[in-house]
Amino acid sequence: AQSVAQPEDQVNVAEGNPLTVKCTYSVSGNPYLFWYVQYPNRGLQFLLKYITGDNLVKGSYGFEAEFNKSQTSFHLKKPSALVSDSALYFCAVSFNKFYFGSGTKLNVKP
Amino acid sequence: GAVVSQHPSWVICKSGTSVKIECRSLDFQATTMFWYRQFPKQSLMLMATSNEGSKATYEQGVEKDKFLINHASLTLSTLTVTSAHPEDSSFYICSAELAGSTDTQYFGPGTRLTVL
Repeated sequence: AQSVAQPEDQVNVAEGNPLTVKCTYSVSGNPYLFWYVQYPNRGLQFLLKYITGDNLVKGSYGFEAEFNKSQTSFHLKKPSALVSDSALYFCAVSFNKFYFGSGTKLNVKP
Repeated sequence: GAVVSQHPSWVICKSGTSVKIECRSLDFQATTMFWYRQFPKQSLMLMATSNEGSKATYEQGVEKDKFLINHASLTLSTLTVTSAHPEDSSFYICSAELAGSTDTQYFGPGTRLTVL
């Protein structure tokens, strides 16, 4: 069965500091991996995806994610957090359909 | 590009009435659209997959007679919540898959349904 886990319900970070939002997955075969961000009462916005190729994927708003096959992880990172990055982040794997993680609330404090 | 709209953005209705939610891909054609439901502080739950010109495929536990889905064109899918009850109150989000592509979904802004 396909699944995605986001082990942290919430991540707190100070503005200007690097941030990491964790994601691990379990799929049969080669995964298509995604990160989406959701602001309150809004739909999901696409940040980045990994299909194949370079393990480090760069996406929107300065975010990037590293695909690690041996650890089955796809952690989202940003070198310097902004207060405006505060939102709900979802990791997803695509395998015929999308499987979403439970979401991680990112709080960036000034 | 790849913009998906939903209408209405929020709706309040009385118990027992039906509500229709539209999902449109504004600048691309979508052979496949998806309908999700999201409860407060929870992840998205896939309700059904809507394919243009054919019947929708519902996920296990989703009542197809209650959540009617129609995908009449390559840019429009509708979800009708029939005989709505307070427990149907939720945030409904649609997404659209670019025709010819199977790897990325573009999401609408969501519709907040409140059933009194």
